[in-house]
Amino acid sequence: DTEVTQTPKHLVMGMTNKKSLKCEQHMGHRAMYWYKQKAKKPPELMFVYSYEKLSINESVPSRFSPECPNSSLLNLHLHALQPEDSALYLCASSQLGGSNSPLHFGNGTRLTVT
Amino acid sequence: SQQGEEDPQALSIQEGENATMNCSYKTSINNLQWYRQNSGRGLVHLILIRSNEREKHSGRLRVTLDTSKKSSSLLITASRAADTASYFCAPYHTGRRALTFGSGTRLQVQP
Repeated sequence: DTEVTQTPKHLVMGMTNKKSLKCEQHMGHRAMYWYKQKAKKPPELMFVYSYEKLSINESVPSRFSPECPNSSLLNLHLHALQPEDSALYLCASSQLGGSNSPLHFGNGTRLTVT
Repeated sequence: SQQGEEDPQALSIQEGENATMNCSYKTSINNLQWYRQNSGRGLVHLILIRSNEREKHSGRLRVTLDTSKKSSSLLITASRAADTASYFCAPYHTGRRALTFGSGTRLQVQP
């Protein structure tokens, strides 16, 4: 079990649906991240929140909309996705936004867009 | 690309043997981290080596870093079937504000 909890574990959605992925950590970490991982590929960075403010957006399409309501929660709102957006979406947190803090990952949400 | 490149892409060994994975990167780093990922799960941090360190150990893991060659290696000694997983290096590049991951090595340890 991990200390970063992601819900749901699996999600199937149509291209016209709106859904949200949720991530929660109670380790007091102040940096939170969204990564996208396709099969047999490394995770790709999408967004970084540092002290609840968006600090990095890796040119992600606007159909992905992140939200950080407080220091423990991170959401990813999904709208009008494409089948190629099907992937494992991983949330992570770290103690600081700097380089010497390892990332703690959740087990991901497996998203299928039909 | 700032990401690390790993080789081999896949490695199959017998239980008890050692496994070595290599990572190369292109720009200067603050540190380099190694992560393990079991199939369908999140990544787990294994070890972090700073740019001024040359070698680090953690249990059966040994990591080396050669900043002059921009390369690192991860050695798993006396491998076990439970070590079967994908292993990713993650160079933390100077001036970058988040971690990016190398291409990964898929390790299969046969019982």
